[in-house]
Amino acid sequence: GAGVSQSPSNKVTEKGKDVELRCDPISGHTALYWYRQRLGQGLEFLIYFQGNSAPDKSGLPSDRFSAERTGESVSTLTIQRTQQEDSAVYLCASTPGYLSTDTQYFGPGTRLTVL
Amino acid sequence: AQTVTQSQPEMSVQEAETVTLSCTYDTSENNYYLFWYKQPPSRQMILVIRQEAYKQQNATENRFSVNFQKAAKSFSLKISDSQLGDTAMYFCALLSGTYKYIFGTGTRLKVLA
Repeated sequence: GAGVSQSPSNKVTEKGKDVELRCDPISGHTALYWYRQRLGQGLEFLIYFQGNSAPDKSGLPSDRFSAERTGESVSTLTIQRTQQEDSAVYLCASTPGYLSTDTQYFGPGTRLTVL
Repeated sequence: AQTVTQSQPEMSVQEAETVTLSCTYDTSENNYYLFWYKQPPSRQMILVIRQEAYKQQNATENRFSVNFQKAAKSFSLKISDSQLGDTAMYFCALLSGTYKYIFGTGTRLKVLA
């Protein structure tokens, strides 16, 4: 269908609260990536899914971060007990196949602000 | 460690002129890929151009071309005939080995009318 979508587009939360960010990849895309983009910085790799399996979670900044994916469909990134340093834009991308060299199609991102 | 460095935080260019964005990288791998991504103010990133390290020929996509200097570990992006729609943040990225992309900090390009 249409491109990668993410929700919410903006999220403001209080320190210590949990947040859940959602990514809907392009239908049929098998691989999915999550990135964090802090203000004025490049993209920081968080996690990669092949189908619903995440072979490497070492990019997640702390154990407050977790992600899951249902089949080759929607993925959620959960941040527990949010901290101010979690404020950033969280981007999701999907690719048609499992080859990491496939073109990544990015969503518009979720801007998270932790007060 | 793999790194990507973009030393130009901001650049501007007059419409219809040519501009070159710089990127240097470091990796110990022999086989890797380099990318330029564009992030317009609307925030959705799109791929501009890609280069396989084993290919000596520089990649070209319409008005966008790269100057890939493997020995110098340099990968610059040239935009010819700049258009207002080229105004965006441009990120250089390295994919080396697995699936972890390493992105630079970006160059904000403004095309002036």
